[in-house]
Amino acid sequence: DTGVSQNPRHKITKRGQNVTFRCDPISEHNRLYWYRQTLGQGPEFLTYFQNEAQLEKSRLLSDRFSAERPKGSFSTLEIQRTEQGDSAMYLCASFGDTEKYGYTFGSGTRLTVV
Amino acid sequence: QKEVEQNSGPLSVPEGAIASLNCTYSDRGSQSFFWYRQYSGKSPELIMSIYSNGDKEDGRFTAQLNKASQYVSLLIRDSQPSDSATYLCAVTTKLAGGTSYGKLTFGQGTILTVHP
Repeated sequence: DTGVSQNPRHKITKRGQNVTFRCDPISEHNRLYWYRQTLGQGPEFLTYFQNEAQLEKSRLLSDRFSAERPKGSFSTLEIQRTEQGDSAMYLCASFGDTEKYGYTFGSGTRLTVV
Repeated sequence: QKEVEQNSGPLSVPEGAIASLNCTYSDRGSQSFFWYRQYSGKSPELIMSIYSNGDKEDGRFTAQLNKASQYVSLLIRDSQPSDSATYLCAVTTKLAGGTSYGKLTFGQGTILTVHP
């Protein structure tokens, strides 16, 4: 296992369409986080899971956004009825119980809504 | 007040100089502090973590933490053009029970340019 994997790397979609992103964390990491980053800003927290339980959701996560981690392994983030303001980099990070290595980020999915 | 604030940039230093990056945080319960480097179009990459007051050195990087002042900094010695990137400060807090961590909260980042 070489790290956190995110797919797709890039997604262009028309406004109003639904999109789904996938994150495969480091296998032994039980915590998985989703962040959104827009140009010139730091990553903003969206939600996180411990195993399959979704423990916290940001108020940024409107009802158009839903995240799942059904078996405590990979996670999906779905955006329904996309808007131009959803255009951003969506980052996934995983974290094990060893604080030494911090949170490991995937390469991200860049979403462009046209 | 933002939860995590970083010194405004961009910061430009000549090659070989010391680059100093600063960060303040508002939550006194914050317990773990991280510096990430992010190249344009790439994801954040962890370069330093610090948990106790004082200095922590790793190669050309030194992180400094002062919990009383709610301040964390990163020094980069002998700066190289390859250090040119956005540097992100992030903090987190242990959850009740003390064995696991919650979310990372990031600052807005400081753009560093090292010119030859």
